[in-house]
Amino acid sequence: RKEVEQDPGPFNVPEGATVAFNCTYSNSASQSFFWYRQDCRKEPKLLMSVYSSGNEDGRFTAQLNRASQYISLLIRDSKLSDSATYLCVPELSGGSYIPTFGRGTSLIVHP
Amino acid sequence: DVKVTQSSRYLVKRTGEKVFLECVQDMDHENMFWYRQDPGLGLRLIYFSYDVKMKEKGDIPEGYSVSREKKERFSLILESASTNQTSMYLCASSPTGTGGNTIYFGEGSWLTVV
Repeated sequence: RKEVEQDPGPFNVPEGATVAFNCTYSNSASQSFFWYRQDCRKEPKLLMSVYSSGNEDGRFTAQLNRASQYISLLIRDSKLSDSATYLCVPELSGGSYIPTFGRGTSLIVHP
Repeated sequence: DVKVTQSSRYLVKRTGEKVFLECVQDMDHENMFWYRQDPGLGLRLIYFSYDVKMKEKGDIPEGYSVSREKKERFSLILESASTNQTSMYLCASSPTGTGGNTIYFGEGSWLTVV
């Protein structure tokens, strides 16, 4: 089983919609996670950190479900500028320093 | 502000040429990474380094080598470029320890091998 799995999408939503996608992880010891955003032909950039029960930043909410081993990213009131690929990565654990990225979920917000 | 700089942004090379991709970070991070990214395949780790002169193979090291002579600099070398190495290459760095595990990326190097 891959360490991190994401639905590649694309998730195609109209402006103003609420959209959510998940990232499942296999290492039950992971304590925290990161969501990265990658615009087309750009580098990934940190969007949010997810510790313990979750995190909220404006229109973005990230939650961690330890029992089912997934994290979710909820985007409310979607904007055209939210169109991007969203990557999740678990905290480096057990002395490992190699970030393992999911393949990302593509989001397209249309007018 | 943190900075990872990939000096060569766009390169076109011929098959068989030796290619150097340079990466410099100014955050005194111990760990540095080279990834390649291709459509539908996500980020694949080529090599990483956790200290000066230390290197370890990632998932797809074949056809590549690396050099880390100074802490701030991590170079990716394509000994003999081939067309299947046409890709976007991303360098990244991250700290070790309790300071957090955030990884910082350079802007990417777009390599075309003809």
